[in-house]
Amino acid sequence: EAQVTQNPRYLITVTGKKLTVTCSQNMNHEYMSWYRQDPGLGLRQIYYSMNVEVTDKGDVPEGYKVSRKEKRNFPLILESPSPNQTSLYFCASSYWGDRAAEEQFFGPGTRLTVL
Amino acid sequence: AQSVTQLDSQVPVFEEAPVELRCNYSSSVSVYLFWYVQYPNQGLQLLLKYLSGSTLVKGINGFEAEFNKSQTSFHLRKPSVHISDTAEYFCAVSLNNAGNMLTFGGGTRLMVKP
Repeated sequence: EAQVTQNPRYLITVTGKKLTVTCSQNMNHEYMSWYRQDPGLGLRQIYYSMNVEVTDKGDVPEGYKVSRKEKRNFPLILESPSPNQTSLYFCASSYWGDRAAEEQFFGPGTRLTVL
Repeated sequence: AQSVTQLDSQVPVFEEAPVELRCNYSSSVSVYLFWYVQYPNQGLQLLLKYLSGSTLVKGINGFEAEFNKSQTSFHLRKPSVHISDTAEYFCAVSLNNAGNMLTFGGGTRLMVKP
């Protein structure tokens, strides 16, 4: 089954404690992206990656890091989480290039609470 | 840069009634347009998209949307809603040379009442 998986689904942590949210896709997609969803603001892009070892900032990158060492994985790293990073996070993937306008597939979401 | 405005944050409607969810965008260049649906505790799922061609686009679950270039709108419609349509709906745009780079609206929560 084609899917995007995220782990963990729920996480409660404290300010300053480093954490990683994993994202994996099994569709051989070139493009992967992280979004955060906040009420009334829709989804805002944090970082994206067009292929292995190619990443770039989205609209709200401050406080986040990413890496793309393998095509299927795109972890999101919060080196020193703060309460304003409490949010619902989604990973997404899709093709790039000629197939760029095809559907983006979204993971189930990770609800993060930073105390 | 492009932006998306969803004019209604919540839309309550009775079952079997028609519904329209409004979406306006701003962009100085041509765009692709998308509607996504998010059911409770789930990720986003593509409902429909407009890339080019016919301005009336049909999607899954009986939804359709009409692209109006002069009004920069892409409103979503369904002639008769079901309880199962209760969800949050997001309009999104991307530049037509970068289809992956989505900009989302703030979302509209559709609440279907029996």
